[in-house]
Formats: sequence, structure tokens, C-alpha cells
Amino acid sequence: GAGVSQSPRYKVAKRGQDVALRCDPISGHVSLFWYQQALGQGPEFLTYFQNEAQLDKSGLPSDRFFAERPEGSVSTLKIQRTQQEDSAVYLCASSLGVSGRHPYGQYFGPGTRLTVT
Amino acid sequence: KNQVEQSPQSLIILEGKNCTLQCNYTVSPFSNLRWYKQDTGRGPVSLTIMTFSENTKSNGRYTATLDADTKQSSLHITASQLSDSASYICVVSHDRGSTLGRLYFGRGTQLTVWP
Repeated sequence: GAGVSQSPRYKVAKRGQDVALRCDPISGHVSLFWYQQALGQGPEFLTYFQNEAQLDKSGLPSDRFFAERPEGSVSTLKIQRTQQEDSAVYLCASSLGVSGRHPYGQYFGPGTRLTVT
Repeated sequence: KNQVEQSPQSLIILEGKNCTLQCNYTVSPFSNLRWYKQDTGRGPVSLTIMTFSENTKSNGRYTATLDADTKQSSLHITASQLSDSASYICVVSHDRGSTLGRLYFGRGTQLTVWP
């Protein structure tokens, strides 16, 4: 498929465990976004990459959250020492251009549902 | 305080009926407004995108309107189908400096269409 893919789709972690969530954006898409979606809520912005550069990480809730996109394509969101409040769906989206200024669509992946027990 | 507010929070309608969902926002400066449809267990899918100069945009049975002066948008769904059951999320794009590209999401309206 040519869409955004994420893995794993589901992850159960024990509190204190580290997790890594992967996002494969659409090939050629410059921009990549990570969002956190709690149950019954809209997605909340976490961080934004333009190619390999992390231009905005103001949405990351704590220093336990770290994201990278070293070669400008695949991205990994890492959460260290997971807490129960980290339980959520983590959505990745990519877009062809810088979607704030231009009406390029953001294409979302299916998300990774993280449950911390 | 959420900068994008949607109403109603949930809505139940009968198949074939029309409905209108509302979105009010305070995000500024505003770049564009999007409506997304999110099926359970899936990522959001874009329905419409409007810039500040557009006041209406249609996509099949979906018609979005935008009043940039009052900072309000609506999504009208005509002749609803069972497959329209989903969460409809209003998203406003911010356009300033380091937050370029950042989107602000409403909490969504959960629409259920009954046969």
C-alpha cells in the first residue's frame, strides 16, 4: 500500500518499560507529524519533522518522549519509563509539503494503541 | 482551553436524514481549516480543506462552510448513510514561525446513523 503505516498496531507495556513506535510515511513526503489521541479526544500535537529536522517538539509532554527521523523518511517515537497516563493511540501523519502554509493534506496512519499496565 | 470547539459532542440520526456539525475556533493567525472523518480504530481521513478566502467546499455528500470573520465552520452531511457513522473532527492550521504546520484538533462529533 501507498499509505502511512505504523507498527506495532497494538502495544502493551508494563509501567516503567521503554517502548518504540515506528512510522513509515508516504514515500517522498517531506513533513511528518506525531500526535497523541486519548480515548474520546481529538489528536494532540506532539512533534513535527521537515525531512530529518525536528522543527517543533513543543507538544512532547515530558523528557521521557523522544522522536527521531534520521534519514528523513521513517520516524520512531520513543517513550522511556512509560506511565499509565501515556496510554493512548499514537498517530503519525505525513504530508507532501509544509501543510501549515499550504493546503496540502495530511495523511494519517492507523495509529499504535499503547496500553500501559 | 481548547482552541477548537465542536458541537454537538455526539449525534444520532436516522439513515437518509441530513445533519450539520459545528466548529468554532480561536486559533490565530489562521491558515486553513479541515474536516476529517475518523472511523473507529483508524486514522483520520481528510474530507475538506478550506483557506480563509474560501467560504464553502463540497466533497460528495459533505459540504463544509467557513466564516473566517466569526471563526466558525460547519459540516453538512446530506442523505446520511450507515457508513457515515464516525467521529468528525474539525482541524485548524496555525501559520506562524516555528509552529508552521501545526494543527489544532477539536475533540470531534461522534455521529451515529441508525437504519
